[in-house]
Amino acid sequence: SAVISQKPSRDICQRGTSLTIQCQVDSQVTMMFWYRQQPGQSLTLIATANQGSEATYESGFVIDKFPISRPNLTFSTLTVSNMSPEDSSIYLCSVGGGATYNEQFFGPGTRLTVL
Amino acid sequence: GQQLNQSPQSMFIQEGEDVSMNCTSSSIFNTWLWYKQDPGEGPVLLIALYKAGELTSNGRLTAQFGITRKDSFLNISASIPSDVGIYFCAGQPPFFGNEKLTFGTGTRLTIIP
Repeated sequence: SAVISQKPSRDICQRGTSLTIQCQVDSQVTMMFWYRQQPGQSLTLIATANQGSEATYESGFVIDKFPISRPNLTFSTLTVSNMSPEDSSIYLCSVGGGATYNEQFFGPGTRLTVL
Repeated sequence: GQQLNQSPQSMFIQEGEDVSMNCTSSSIFNTWLWYKQDPGEGPVLLIALYKAGELTSNGRLTAQFGITRKDSFLNISASIPSDVGIYFCAGQPPFFGNEKLTFGTGTRLTIIP
């Protein structure tokens, strides 16, 4: 499976600021996804990062709050904009893969705390 | 939207015991995946299931894709300390392409010394 890295691994931010999270994959992948995992909770899909076109957002998530870039097949960024304490979560990127490309493999996550 | 319910929510067992957890849905899925998440890390894929009725093993882990396509279970035999963590099921619905995952609520496994 692909090796996935995320930067930063963690950050503490002030309310009202923005943070951009990077996701780097060691091989070209078609599908990349961004998830949010709130404290003690399961994973919720934010959006599918599409290469060369706008991301596809899930219900409850909007581009103005979570702008996503996907400039090529190995890299994506997620920005958390105008942060509030409710945005404190782990943000994870994943890539599709496996024999049927139905499997997803996750990065180590970015732990965000908003004060 | 679809929800996946996992049970039990948490388990406290002794080393060497067998573990069983399951995941149920109100609607069908094409694929079931089981993940384990350790503190401070991303989920790691354990087993992937693609066909109704499929039974798949990975070492001490065994998982099955329910015949109705609405449930799956994961068994761990002879638990060891490194099995501690949170286990998530995840399913892919048949309606949105074959990539999007819906995650279960998680089962937290703790081994009592």
